Amino acid sequence: DVKVTQSSRYLVKRTGEKVFLECVQDMDHENMFWYRQDPGLGLRLIYFSYDVKMKEKGDIPEGYSVSREKKERFSLILESASTNQTSMYLCASSFRLQGGGMNTEAFFGQGTRLTVV
Amino acid sequence: AQTVTQSQPEMSVQEAETVTLSCTYDTSESDYYLFWYKQPPSRQMILVIRQEAYKQQNATENRFSVNFQKAAKSFSLKISDSQLGDAAMYFCAYRSDIIQGAQKLVFGQGTRLTINP
Repeated sequence: DVKVTQSSRYLVKRTGEKVFLECVQDMDHENMFWYRQDPGLGLRLIYFSYDVKMKEKGDIPEGYSVSREKKERFSLILESASTNQTSMYLCASSFRLQGGGMNTEAFFGQGTRLTVV
Repeated sequence: AQTVTQSQPEMSVQEAETVTLSCTYDTSESDYYLFWYKQPPSRQMILVIRQEAYKQQNATENRFSVNFQKAAKSFSLKISDSQLGDAAMYFCAYRSDIIQGAQKLVFGQGTRLTINP
């Protein structure tokens, strides 16, 4: 079974803290993604990575950074947490497509509900 | 940039009835994939069905089927014989099939489906 594991299910942090959200996948996927999920806004892409040490900004990268030192691990960093970063964070991974074929879908972790107080 | 729009924030249906969830998308690409994901209260995202843009035939998976209209950029999900376990948030998603560059996965805002017994 494909597994995407997020380090915490619930997290409470204080304003100004540096926060690390970790994600590990065991399927040798090239692509990894970080989304935040807010009611009425769906899943918005923060950052993604298509290879080790490679990263691309998504639609809402401000206030976040990422790290991918190993293929299986993708970390989301909140440099200085703020209350408007209170949200559900979802990690996903997928194979890199090579012009069609199977295995096109992404697999998700169970999410981290982060509260910044 | 690709966008995905789900115009129905909430839908409800009687158990055993049929319901259709709407999704439209915008893209200039010719090759891509479309997905419907389900997110039950457990928060685990589950793939419901996928459609390859190059296939004219609509995808089906048991009680789930899609109506894919490529020219209209429409991708609706039909759930037949609705069951209580179908109650969840449903997300429509788009993934490009370009070989070079970023292969983003873009989501809509979601539709919350309620099943009435």
